[in-house]
Amino acid sequence: ETGVTQSPTHLIKTRGQQVTLRCSSQSGHNTVSWYQQALGQGPQFIFQYYREEENGRGNFPPRFSGLQFPNYSSELNVNALELDDSALYLCASSLTGDRYGYTFGSGTRLTVV
Amino acid sequence: QKEVEQDPGPLSVPEGAIVSLNCTYSNSAFQYFMWYRQYSRKGPELLMYTYSSGNKEDGRFTAQVDKSSKYISLFIRDSQPSDSATYLCASANDYKLSFGAGTTVTVRA
Repeated sequence: ETGVTQSPTHLIKTRGQQVTLRCSSQSGHNTVSWYQQALGQGPQFIFQYYREEENGRGNFPPRFSGLQFPNYSSELNVNALELDDSALYLCASSLTGDRYGYTFGSGTRLTVV
Repeated sequence: QKEVEQDPGPLSVPEGAIVSLNCTYSNSAFQYFMWYRQYSRKGPELLMYTYSSGNKEDGRFTAQVDKSSKYISLFIRDSQPSDSATYLCASANDYKLSFGAGTTVTVRA
């Protein structure tokens, strides 16, 4: 049973809309990362948050943004949705510096039409 | 060029066969290597990890890293239908994981 929960599990949005995805990290994990997994591909790193600050970002445009809250829950916001944003969005929590200890949630399947 | 390359397969084997999965990577700075298993509609779960070069064995699973050739391997012995999943190789570098595309494996009963 994973300690990371994501909501919603599925979502359908229209191109140009905005979306917020939510993640509740595993207890005690102070770092949260977000990944985008397109169909048939491996997850791609979006960004990571530690102590409510972004401390690493992948090759994603600024319309992808995030927040981390004091209780280690977090959000991924995507503005001006494009069809190519359709993917599984994964949240992973870990203890800082623990490269092996990433725990992934089951993801949110976003479909942009 | 992607940092981690993986043959997407798919791979279909009979029950009891040895499954061999491979990846290559391009970043010489990579030191930490992992294999994740992902079932349909689930997030990846850590299966094996190794640091630098060498072998690591855990039950039916063996992970190998050859840093001289930048090659990562996973072997599954005595494969079972429950091993049917997508297997992702990954490397950790500072704050992020770099994944291969994943290989979908089906073990036929």
